[in-house]
Amino acid sequence: NAGVTQTPKFRILKIGQSMTLQCTQDMNHNYMYWYRQDPGMGLKLIYYSVGAGITDKGEVPNGYNVSRSTTEDFPLRLELAAPSQTSVYFCASSGTGTGLYEQYFGPGTRLTVT
Amino acid sequence: AQSVTQLDSQVPVFEEAPVELRCNYSSSVSVYLFWYVQYPNQGLQLLLKYLSGSTLVESINGFEAEFNKSQTSFHLRKPSVHISDTAEYFCAVSERAGGTSYGKLTFGQGTILTVHP
Repeated sequence: NAGVTQTPKFRILKIGQSMTLQCTQDMNHNYMYWYRQDPGMGLKLIYYSVGAGITDKGEVPNGYNVSRSTTEDFPLRLELAAPSQTSVYFCASSGTGTGLYEQYFGPGTRLTVT
Repeated sequence: AQSVTQLDSQVPVFEEAPVELRCNYSSSVSVYLFWYVQYPNQGLQLLLKYLSGSTLVESINGFEAEFNKSQTSFHLRKPSVHISDTAEYFCAVSERAGGTSYGKLTFGQGTILTVHP
């Protein structure tokens, strides 16, 4: 199993550009999450999904959109990139029952907006 | 809503010394508690978790944490650290909400543990 994979690993965007961060998991997990990590701030939840077709906002959703058309994929869309979105982005997934409380993280995407 | 405070942003220690990484939380409801570890340039990995039962939980690599409800703390300890323990450690909580929390985690700010030879 590859677990949770994210692409790209690194990206530099100009202000106002758009991009999609890809996330795929092969563990048949229902729950998926997007976090951003900023130095000294821990991780903040951007969006989450409880299954295909169902998504909801987390703590810091402004400037982002998500979709969940399949169980495996949970892409994160930045429409108009801003310097404040410079961060490291992590996708995670978890199962059901007590497995809900063990999140598996991808390796992250480091995004710079200039 | 919950919040998590990790009281030390950086903890330097020498190899084979004991270490404690402190974590306090605030919540209006009962919570589950977690420690995650992030090695350089990697994603986070679950180190240990407290869901129920014994308030002392252990990881496979010698770390332990104790849930103290009265002090709302979940400090992480290891009696003797190795160079390979150098990493950033995150304390996190999730609501015990009968499933409606959807496993969402609230993280602390992180503590960078640096083990020196």
